[in-house]
Amino acid sequence: EDQVTQSPEALRLQEGESSSLNCSYTVSGLRGLFWYRQDPGKGPEFLFTLYSAGEEKEKERLKATLTKKESFLHITAPKPEDSATYLCAIVTGANSKLTFGKGITLSVRP
Amino acid sequence: DVKVTQSSRYLVKRTGEKVFLECVQDMDHENMFWYRQDPGLGLRLIYFSYDVKMKEKGDIPEGYSVSREKKERFSLILESASTNQTSMYLCASRSGVDYEQYFGPGTRLTVT
Repeated sequence: EDQVTQSPEALRLQEGESSSLNCSYTVSGLRGLFWYRQDPGKGPEFLFTLYSAGEEKEKERLKATLTKKESFLHITAPKPEDSATYLCAIVTGANSKLTFGKGITLSVRP
Repeated sequence: DVKVTQSSRYLVKRTGEKVFLECVQDMDHENMFWYRQDPGLGLRLIYFSYDVKMKEKGDIPEGYSVSREKKERFSLILESASTNQTSMYLCASRSGVDYEQYFGPGTRLTVT
């Protein structure tokens, strides 16, 4: 069974304190890995798609990387507005359904 | 930009009522999805649709049905709402080519 595990469950950072969020997965035949941001009471907002090991994507203070077993979302010099829950999801198989992790709640203090 | 809209942001219904949640996307996407999101359980797929009038069960379809009469619209129906269906409901869509899904703002449903 495809599984996605995100860690830690929650992370508190001081503004400017860089860190990484982890998403590990067990799957055969990964077709893609996705990162989303979700603000409280809102729908997930798409951030990145990664397709193959070694691939990297960047957007402002965020950089996503992918290996054969895990993905990292690196956040450089975070600001309070980066506070949100970050979701990781994978797609496998012919039906292309997404399997989500439970998310990491990031809190950035000013 | 992809836009997915949902009919209500907040909804309060009584046990036993029939509830309709509607979702509309404006990007001519073939695929549409309904999820529910609960604390500690994450997002769980209820139903999805690959085309008009087509539907497939997700991981937790019990107590729900869906309807897709037009390509842009996907409805989730709770035939007889129960308190354990209190949740955040999220609709998503994606094209037939790419895998990333785009989500609507969500409907917070409370069943009393």
